[in-house]
Amino acid sequence: GQQLNQSPQSMFIQEGEDVSMNCTSSSIFNTWLWYKQDPGEGPVLLIALYKAGELTSNGRLTAQFGITRKDSFLNISASIPSDVGIYFCAGFTTSGTYKYIFGTGTRLKVLA
Amino acid sequence: NAGVTQTPKFQVLKTGQSMTLQCAQDMNHNSMYWYRQDPGMGLRLIYYSASEGTTDKGEVPNGYNVSRLNKREFSLRLESAAPSQTSVYFCASSGGLNYGYTFGSGTRLTVV
Repeated sequence: GQQLNQSPQSMFIQEGEDVSMNCTSSSIFNTWLWYKQDPGEGPVLLIALYKAGELTSNGRLTAQFGITRKDSFLNISASIPSDVGIYFCAGFTTSGTYKYIFGTGTRLKVLA
Repeated sequence: NAGVTQTPKFQVLKTGQSMTLQCAQDMNHNSMYWYRQDPGMGLRLIYYSASEGTTDKGEVPNGYNVSRLNKREFSLRLESAAPSQTSVYFCASSGGLNYGYTFGSGTRLTVV
């Protein structure tokens, strides 16, 4: 089945550093979403994007809906230890066939 | 605000045994989903229910059955467990305006 490609797969960063990750697809999506999964829990929605080029923030998190509608980006500024977890992107569209596809995840570890 | 509740949280089964994973949501969402999460594989859709009374196969339905008991409850049944079904299972629901899914905290299943 189709999955979205996320990069990087994992990353170790120092506390206070900024983090960037991205999600790419061969298909166009009308909505991009970003989730975070804490260890031992289910994913939780962080940000949803509805329009190509849209830039949306949620605290220290900023996400962008790519112009081509085939990609999305998530930035975390000034990382803190509780940012540790797995970040999933998801693409959603109802054009043609209903599709809600999750990315493979980026595992983030923050070193204090 | 319980959100999505899954039971049990942990389970060990012997090969060939059967069990049912329970899921209930209290957000009046129409759609519910079952995913499995395996290392390096992200989230894979097993079955979903777009509305009460309907169920459809997802990406990896073999070896599973589901029941949408009512609007609140969506159960996943393993008729004859196999070691390949060792995984973390997540139930989710959706119905909000932001297209986001609300996930339960997962069931960690080991089949020996």
